[in-house]
Amino acid sequence: DAKTTQPNSMESNEEEPVHLPCNHSTISGTDYIHWYRQLPSQGPEYVIHGLTSNVNNRMASLAIAEDRKSSTLILHRATLRDAAVYYCILMGFGNEKLTFGTGTRLTIIP
Amino acid sequence: GAGVSQSPSNKVTEKGKDVELRCDPISGHTALYWYRQRLGQGLEFLIYFQGNSAPDKSGLPSDRFSAERTGESVSTLTIQRTQQEDSAVYLCASSLLVDAMETQYFGPGTRLLVL
Repeated sequence: DAKTTQPNSMESNEEEPVHLPCNHSTISGTDYIHWYRQLPSQGPEYVIHGLTSNVNNRMASLAIAEDRKSSTLILHRATLRDAAVYYCILMGFGNEKLTFGTGTRLTIIP
Repeated sequence: GAGVSQSPSNKVTEKGKDVELRCDPISGHTALYWYRQRLGQGLEFLIYFQGNSAPDKSGLPSDRFSAERTGESVSTLTIQRTQQEDSAVYLCASSLLVDAMETQYFGPGTRLLVL
C-alpha cells in the first residue's frame, strides 16, 4: 500500500488559513488522495478528495502537486471547530480500504 | 437523512466472554467497512463487505474475530473469548460502492472495554 507522511502536529490562529501538507512519493497513477478528519470522541468524517486537479468544496481546498507526490489541504479560515486530527490517505484500485497513518493533530488558537 | 448507526454505543464485558457489535449502514450502500481504533492510535482496517461478501478479511487480528452481513444491510462483528487487548472503539463505515473515489461515511463507533 502506498504510504503518506504528515507532520505530527500543527497550530494555527483562529480565522487564519491553514495549510496541511502530505507527502506521498510512492503514489500510483490510479490512486486517489483522500482527506478525512477526526474530531475528539467522534468517528472520522470525509473532508475532500482528488486525483490530479485541485479541488474545492464547502469545507476545504485540495492542492495537488503536478507530479502528485505531495498535496496540501487548505482550510481557508480556521475556526475552533476545525481542531481535529487530519488524515491524508491514498486509495486505489484493489485498495479501497482506508489505511490511516498517524495524521496531523491541528490545534486552533483562539 | 439517516447516517450510519452502531450499537451498542458502549460495551463493558469480562475477559473470555463473546460480544456482538452491530452496524446499520446508510440505506443503499453496497460497501461496508469495519475499523478498530485503540486509545490514542489511528484506525486499523479489519474487514470490508461488498454486498454480503467479504473479499478482504486481511485485517482481522485473529480467528476470534468474525463478521457477517445479511440482506446487503446490517453487519455484525463478533469477537469470541474477548481479551483485554480487544478494548478499543470499533467503527463502521459505509459507501455507495467499493471504489477508490467513493466517500466512506462513519458511524459513531462502539466503545468496547474488556475487564
